[in-house]
Amino acid sequence: DAGVIQSPRHEVTEMGQEVTLRCKPISGHDYLFWYRQTMMRGLELLIYFNNNVPIDDSGMPEDRFSAKMPNASFSTLKIQPSEPRDSAVYFCASTPRTGTGYGYTFGSGTRLTVV
Amino acid sequence: AQSVTQLGSHVSVSEGALVLLRCNYSSSVPPYLFWYVQYPNQGLQLLLKYTSAATLVKGINGFEAEFKKSETSFHLTKPSAHMSDAAEYFCAVRSGGTSYGKLTFGQGTILTVHP
Repeated sequence: DAGVIQSPRHEVTEMGQEVTLRCKPISGHDYLFWYRQTMMRGLELLIYFNNNVPIDDSGMPEDRFSAKMPNASFSTLKIQPSEPRDSAVYFCASTPRTGTGYGYTFGSGTRLTVV
Repeated sequence: AQSVTQLGSHVSVSEGALVLLRCNYSSSVPPYLFWYVQYPNQGLQLLLKYTSAATLVKGINGFEAEFKKSETSFHLTKPSAHMSDAAEYFCAVRSGGTSYGKLTFGQGTILTVHP
């Protein structure tokens, strides 16, 4: 299995531009999570999906952020318009089930820099 | 609500010395507990997990952790540190019995190994 695949690995964009981060979960995993990692705030859960349906988006910082999962093998996290404070590493993770002690498998992350 | 506290944001040991990374959790129901490792510019990798079976859990790379309910702790140990163990380590908790099973992460502990 190729694991959780994220693209791009690095993204540098100017303030005000739209940014789209992509994630392909492990085949057969029903849950998909988007996390953001910064030095100041550590790892923050932004949103997660179960069977392509958003379950909890309470961690999404504001309306500039949106996430979709059009099918079981693909999810996007979009920031529009981007701001310098959005600079962070964004991780996607998937797991086959929850409530039974399964761990998450994380992607390698997308390092976003907004200048 | 569930939470995790990692005591010590930085731990430094000599090669061959004991590694001890501390984690205390708070959970209103029996928890599932995890340790993850993050090497530079990589995603998080699962080291080990506690899922209410044996209280002493062995993981990859010679690490182990002991679940102590009376102390609400899940400290990570390794008898002899290697240079390759230098990384950031995250403790995480997920409360069993919930329908969504979000992982809550601690702030992380950076392990430095000196020759």
